[in-house]
Amino acid sequence: AQSVTQLDSQVPVFEEAPVELRCNYSSSVSVYLFWYVQYPNQGLQLLLKYLSGSTLVKSINGFEAEFNKSQTSFHLRKPSVHISDTAEYFCAVTVTDSWGKLQFGAGTQVVVTP
Amino acid sequence: NAGVTQTPKFQVLKTGQSMTLQCAQDMNHEYMSWYRQDPGMGLRLIHYSVGAGITDQGEVPNGYNVSRSTTEDFPLRLLSAAPSQTSVYFCASSPNGQGNQPQHFGDGTRLSIL
Repeated sequence: AQSVTQLDSQVPVFEEAPVELRCNYSSSVSVYLFWYVQYPNQGLQLLLKYLSGSTLVKSINGFEAEFNKSQTSFHLRKPSVHISDTAEYFCAVTVTDSWGKLQFGAGTQVVVTP
Repeated sequence: NAGVTQTPKFQVLKTGQSMTLQCAQDMNHEYMSWYRQDPGMGLRLIHYSVGAGITDQGEVPNGYNVSRSTTEDFPLRLLSAAPSQTSVYFCASSPNGQGNQPQHFGDGTRLSIL
């Protein structure tokens, strides 16, 4: 079975500073990787995904994540955060032949302050 | 664009009561699932369905029942509520459940069991 570890439960960051959210996974088979974002009192929204091909994937709002197979990591980064990026971020993994059974990390709360 | 709709948004129950959490999607998705979200634990899969008439258990199915009589609806039933079931419940859907498809989440039902 696969598992996901998000190494930081909370990350405080100043506006316009960079942020990195760490995610490591364990799996003995090929996986798909996702980052979801949850704004207060809302459901989860897909931020970006890695399925295959280029190991660097980007979202439309400036986030990027890099799949590192040797380190089994999928860290999320943004070079300059906005107040509106305050949210909880979840890393998730599913094996490539599963029925969409996502395994989630515990989440990282990002708090952006002016 | 309704997407995935969950009702109610909030509910308070007494121990031993039963209730049904409703989930409906208007995207003609075959795959639907229920997760619960608890602090520090991310989201955990309760039950899922790959199509009308087909359901299966996830990681934490005890105390919950599901059925799938139509493509659109996937209700979650608590037969005899327990305080351990206090949580935020999310319903999600994807076109056919393949692991490379992102899931679409509802806004959640916040359930408190006294």
